[in-house]
Amino acid sequence: DGGITQSPKYLFRKEGQNVTLSCEQNLNHDAMYWYRQDPGQGLRLIYYSQIVNDFQKGDIAEGYSVSREKKESFPLTVTSAQKNPTAFYLCASSTLRGGDSTQPQHFGDGTRLSIL
Amino acid sequence: QQQVKQSPQSLIVQKGGISIINCAYENTAFDYFPWYQQFPGKGPALLIAIRPDVSEKKEGRFTISFNKSAKQFSLHIMDSQPGDSATYFCAARRGISSGSARQLTFGSGTQLTVLP
Repeated sequence: DGGITQSPKYLFRKEGQNVTLSCEQNLNHDAMYWYRQDPGQGLRLIYYSQIVNDFQKGDIAEGYSVSREKKESFPLTVTSAQKNPTAFYLCASSTLRGGDSTQPQHFGDGTRLSIL
Repeated sequence: QQQVKQSPQSLIVQKGGISIINCAYENTAFDYFPWYQQFPGKGPALLIAIRPDVSEKKEGRFTISFNKSAKQFSLHIMDSQPGDSATYFCAARRGISSGSARQLTFGSGTQLTVLP
């Protein structure tokens, strides 16, 4: 089955530590996205990428970094500069071809990050 | 300009009743309006979507009503069932001409509870 796999499901970070969240998709989608979800605030865009080796900052990129070395993979690093990293992180992907009906964003099942 | 305002924050409906969730936007560059359904511990899944040249779209028990002049759109769930209990997000996507990667801007979410 095609889909988006996020790992791990739960992650704990110590103070001053960087952690990396994994996102892999086998949908052959061009674009990939990272969102942060906090209670009562909906989803906020952290970074997105439309093509390998290129990515753009979203609305809340500070304290985060990404890479896109392969089409299938878009890992997110939460750095120690992110002072409030506790949240539910969601990865999504979409195709950039075709009409709007073929461009919905498909989401993974998220990683919940907590501070020790 | 980028905000999408969603209401109510929470909604309790009896089984068989109608659930109505409302969203409003300001940015006229938005050209695609999806609704997502999210169950606890899962990623959002696309439920139904509409373009602004259509005033209503129906898929099964789910209907989107769109009022372009008022910049408002709403989700109606007819014959609501306990299995519909979830968090619902409206979203809006900027058009190609806006020069963006067509990323989504999400509302803050509505937690729907359907009582048996």
